[in-house]
Parts: sequence; C-alpha cells; structure tokens
Amino acid sequence: DTAVSQTPKYLVTQMGNDKSIKCEQNLGHDTMYWYKQDSKKFLKIMFSYNNKELIINETVPNRFSPKSPDKAHLNLHINSLELGDSAVYFCASSSSNQPQHFGDGTRLSIL
Amino acid sequence: GESVGLHLPTLSVQEGDNSIINCAYSNSASDYFIWYKQESGKGPQFIIDIRSNMDKRQGQRVTVLLNKTVKHLSLQIAATQPGDSAVYFCAENSNTGNQFYFGTGTSLTVIP
Repeated sequence: DTAVSQTPKYLVTQMGNDKSIKCEQNLGHDTMYWYKQDSKKFLKIMFSYNNKELIINETVPNRFSPKSPDKAHLNLHINSLELGDSAVYFCASSSSNQPQHFGDGTRLSIL
Repeated sequence: GESVGLHLPTLSVQEGDNSIINCAYSNSASDYFIWYKQESGKGPQFIIDIRSNMDKRQGQRVTVLLNKTVKHLSLQIAATQPGDSAVYFCAENSNTGNQFYFGTGTSLTVIP
C-alpha cells in the first residue's frame, strides 16, 4: 500500500550510460515531481508535471527528461550520465497546493 | 548543481527538552509553508503546514510559527524524543504555482 514508490532503490552505473528511474503513485494526485538531493542534503526541484504542463527547472541539463505514460507515473530518463549526477533522486506527488508525498529515493552512483 | 558553500546546520538537544528549528524564506509572495522530517534512508515526510492567513498552528507535540513581517518560520518540538532525530526542512509555495522550494535543512540530534 506504498503511496509513492520508486525503483530502483540503488543504481550504480558507468559514466556515459543512459538510465531510467521509475515512479508510481497510488494517491490519485494530479501533480508529480522529481527532486535531486546532493551530499549536503540540499533538495532541489527538477521537474513538476501534471496533465496540463511540465515545469522544468532551467538549471537541469537537457540530459534529464521526465516521461509520464499516465497520471500515476512519472519516470526520469537520464542520458550520458556524468560523475556530478551522483545523488539521491526523489519522486513526489501532490494535489494542487497540498503537501507533497515523497518516495524513499533512488541512490544513483556513477563510477 | 551542488550546494557549494552551504552546509547543513545542526542542532543537538537533550531528550525531553524542547527543540526550535528556524527557517528564513525570501519570497514575500509565498503563502503556504510546510515542515518536513527526513529520516536516514527515507524521503521527506510531512509534519505540519501553515497558510499565510495564520501565524501559529499546533499539532501533536509540534507547533509552527509564521512571522510574515520578517519572513521567518519556526518549528517547535515539545519534549524531544530520540525518534525525532532527523533532518528537518521547511518548504514554501506561492499561490501562483504548484512548486515547492525547500530550505537548506537542519539536522536534529537528540541525546538520550
């Protein structure tokens, strides 16, 4: 009965590879998000997406792209991974102007 | 990018004491504020929220205070317990969008 679930929990891969992280929410929320948390615990919004619009943080490299097959899913695709991409990535969801519910994160390590 | 130059503030309290965690925000248009708790290995979890038409809101053992004049938010935890040890984040949102912006976070350690 997990509300926001993301897979995988851990992802270790080589520089230059392409990878995806999946996220699903069963809360019926209309908006989903991706955040990046660095080693100093700083949480930065990367994308927010509902069925009407995608809002992209302009500092996010275009190697990162969200893909939403339906309202309950927002996957994150990353091309040509770089060392600086190592971080914990969190998916979240919410209804409009309500608290977000977060997944438990995907720990991405680039070798 | 990385939070270069920033470090995670820390707070240590004795078990049973009260804790106060502070947060400053910069956007005067922000009208909705949330406190989250993040335990090790987990995602942030909602604790309490407050909208800009209020200056105080209480939950179970937690109180949030909002001072819009100086753009300051605080979280008070009464009778702090070891299970309260975590990183605490404030987040702000303006009515113009559905994006939340998170503060730096404060690491709370409760000493038994």
